[in-house]
Parts: sequence; C-alpha cells; structure tokens
Amino acid sequence: EAGVAQSPRYKIIEKRQSVAFWCNPISGHATLYWYQQILGQGPKLLIQFQNNGVVDDSQLPKDRFSAERLKGVDSTLKIQPAKLEDSAVYLCASSPTHRSGDTQYFGPGTRLTVL
Amino acid sequence: DQQVKQNSPSLSVQEGRISILNCDYTNSMFDYFLWYKKYPAEGPTFLISISSIKDKNEDGRFTVFLNKSAKHLSLHIVPSQPGDSAVYFCAASPDSNYQLIWGAGTKLIIKP
Repeated sequence: EAGVAQSPRYKIIEKRQSVAFWCNPISGHATLYWYQQILGQGPKLLIQFQNNGVVDDSQLPKDRFSAERLKGVDSTLKIQPAKLEDSAVYLCASSPTHRSGDTQYFGPGTRLTVL
Repeated sequence: DQQVKQNSPSLSVQEGRISILNCDYTNSMFDYFLWYKKYPAEGPTFLISISSIKDKNEDGRFTVFLNKSAKHLSLHIVPSQPGDSAVYFCAASPDSNYQLIWGAGTKLIIKP
C-alpha cells in the first residue's frame, strides 16, 4: 500500500512570496490533515478535511493560508503572502476514519524556509 | 500555553536497557493519549495509545503507563534497540473525536 505522498520536499522562498504544497493521501482514506511543525515544537493542526468538507480549521491563519480538497482525494495548502514565522515543516496525514485519535498516517513533510 | 509537555528534549540510553520517556499534561479533560515515533526526514508513525479507562497498555517492547491523578504518562521501551533512536511525540485529546494536542517531542538516542 502506497503511503502519503507530499511535494515538494523542500522549498525556499522570500517573504511576501506565495507557495503551495501538495498532498496525496492513502487511497480510500476519507480524512486528511495538514499540520505545521515549527522547529522544536510538536505538530499543530491547521486544517482537517473529511472527504471534501472542512471539519476543523480553527487554527488556520485564514488571512494568508488556504487549503482545498476538491474531489475528496488530494489536497493543496497555500500560503500567500509568506512571513518569516511560516518557516516550518508542513505535514500531511490521512486516516480511514474521522476520529483524530485513530491512527493517522503521515507523509514525509515539506520543509519550508522563508528568507 | 503548552497543554502537553515533554520536558526532556533528549535522552540517551544504553542498548539493552530500559528507556523511559515522560509526558505531562495540564488539561484534565484529556481522555485519550498517543505516542508517535519520528525518524529524520520522515513523518511521525503511530506507536501506542491509551485511554483513561486504563492505566497501562502494552505492545511488545512498548508499554505506556497513565497516572491521571498526576496528569502524567510515560512510555517504557524494554529492551532498547538501536532502531529505537528517534524523536518520540506524546499527543492527547479530550476523546478520540477531537484534534490531537502534541508535545514538543523527546529525542531518544540508543548507544551501542
């Protein structure tokens, strides 16, 4: 079974530029999560989708971050414009159930550096 | 405000000995706890979980202990192996339907 795919693996941009990350979850997994992990901290949930609907986006900075999962399969996360404090690893995870406490399967992450 | 705290950023243990990783939490509503393991350049992988109705859960070399009165849980790895060298995250939620709150992680180094 293929795991969660993410691209790109690394991205370096200047502040105020835009960036987009892509995630392809495990086939058949209804729930998709985007996390932000700042160096030295644990992952922080940005947004949770169930199929193509948003379950929780309470911690998504909506003035600059957006995410979509149009066909209930793969997803993109966009930052526009980026700030220095957005430097982090962005992790995508998927799960066959909607329960956050059930096993989440993570991709390798995208490391973003904002200069 | 860190609701889940892993106060040891790193831990070094001799191969074959017991590794004990600790996690404290402040929210008394937390009812469900998980440990994830992360290797460099990979995403976290699920290791073991425990709900508040239990005080211990075992899976092979891994055992998680929960002390609700102290708001403390620990992960024991016996015996420790070189492949256990990784970052271990503790995560918690009020129940399995709510988002997880993660600790900052503890880097475990197993010395040969």
